[in-house]
Amino acid sequence: GQNIDQPTEMTATEGAIVQINCTYQTSGFNGLFWYQQHAGEAPTFLSYNVLDGLEEKGRFSSFLSRSKGYSYLLLKELQMKDSASYLCAVRDQGTGGFKTIFGAGTRLFVKA
Amino acid sequence: SAVISQKPSRDICQRGTSLTIQCQVDSQVTMMFWYRQQPGQSLTLIATANQGSEATYESGFVIDKFPISRPNLTFSTLTVSNMSPEDSSIYLCSVVLQGAGGANVLTFGAGSRLTVL
Repeated sequence: GQNIDQPTEMTATEGAIVQINCTYQTSGFNGLFWYQQHAGEAPTFLSYNVLDGLEEKGRFSSFLSRSKGYSYLLLKELQMKDSASYLCAVRDQGTGGFKTIFGAGTRLFVKA
Repeated sequence: SAVISQKPSRDICQRGTSLTIQCQVDSQVTMMFWYRQQPGQSLTLIATANQGSEATYESGFVIDKFPISRPNLTFSTLTVSNMSPEDSSIYLCSVVLQGAGGANVLTFGAGSRLTVL
């Protein structure tokens, strides 16, 4: 089976840096994804890690350690519009390798 | 990137009725999935919609309650049958698309928000 854990809520200040952690357990790891979801909208893709290490994409970076079952999403220079839920998702090798299971999400509040 | 259209975008339904949600993609896709997101919750995978064969359901979801069709590589429907207030949720169609750097990324339609009275 699969299990994904991430904090329920976080608060950070505009301009600051925030790190959202995710730990996971899966029987057949095939990639880890981070999605952003604003209230009332569908999730949008942020980042993808399949190998260990850091992937950087502008203000957003994502890190993966497969041996530890651990990832984090790093958001720099926070803006008010970054207030959203951030979903950690793991792809399993079942179902042709594309079955994706989501964590409960971390609600990030960015304050002025 | 492909465009994923879902309809209806929202509906208010009476208890005991059924509603069919349509998902149309503007290009052929192999993998198509249906998710549910209940109020304040994350996404739960209902089933994988397989083209030309029966859908593959996740634990806790059954075909009688959530029949799915996938007649071709661009279209799928999800029916929510005999609805109760507990079925009030956002239902999301998703497909796997090739993103930047060659990653196969799960991409979502805008969702269908159902409220069951």
